[in-house]
Amino acid sequence: AQSVTQLGSHVSVSEGALVLLRCNYSSSVPPYLFWYVQYPNQGLQLLLKYTSAATLVKGINGFEAEFKKSETSFHLTKPSAHMSDAAEYFCAVSDGGATNKLIFGTGTLLAVQP
Amino acid sequence: NAGVTQTPKFQVLKTGQSMTLQCAQDMNHNSMYWYRQDPGMGLRLIYYSASEGTTDKGEVPNGYNVSRLNKREFSLRLESAAPSQTSVYFCASSDTGYGYTFGSGTRLTVV
Repeated sequence: AQSVTQLGSHVSVSEGALVLLRCNYSSSVPPYLFWYVQYPNQGLQLLLKYTSAATLVKGINGFEAEFKKSETSFHLTKPSAHMSDAAEYFCAVSDGGATNKLIFGTGTLLAVQP
Repeated sequence: NAGVTQTPKFQVLKTGQSMTLQCAQDMNHNSMYWYRQDPGMGLRLIYYSASEGTTDKGEVPNGYNVSRLNKREFSLRLESAAPSQTSVYFCASSDTGYGYTFGSGTRLTVV
């Protein structure tokens, strides 16, 4: 069975500081990994995805994530936080098979302080 | 605009009432999904449909039924609503190997 663990349900950073949101996965097959962002009262928007190509994946809004098989991690980073980055972030894993079911982590709420 | 459309956006039900949440996508995706989102629990899969004519249970199917009416539409039905079904419900669609496109959600309160 696949699963993801997001360390830290709440993360607070200052504007301009590094953003690091942690995600570890468990999968018996090569995983497809995703990060989604949810702004208040909205649906989820895809930030980036890893599908076994380059291990460093660049997404929208300046975010990127690195797939590290040895650490079973897929942490999300952004060099400099902006106030507009305040949102909830979800890591998700899929086996990429015919059903393409996504298993989500419990989310990390990012606060950006001025 | 292309995407996933959910209706209604908000709903209040009394315990024991029934209702159907509607979802339609216009991206010609094969797969569709229903999730519920609860604080601190992330998104949990209720039911999914890998292709037109097929449906399967997800992680939390009890108290729900689904219908894949055609390739575009995938509805979720609560036959007898319970307070534990108070949640935000999201519909999504995808093609294999790609990320999901989500609807904007339905906020359901059962009193």
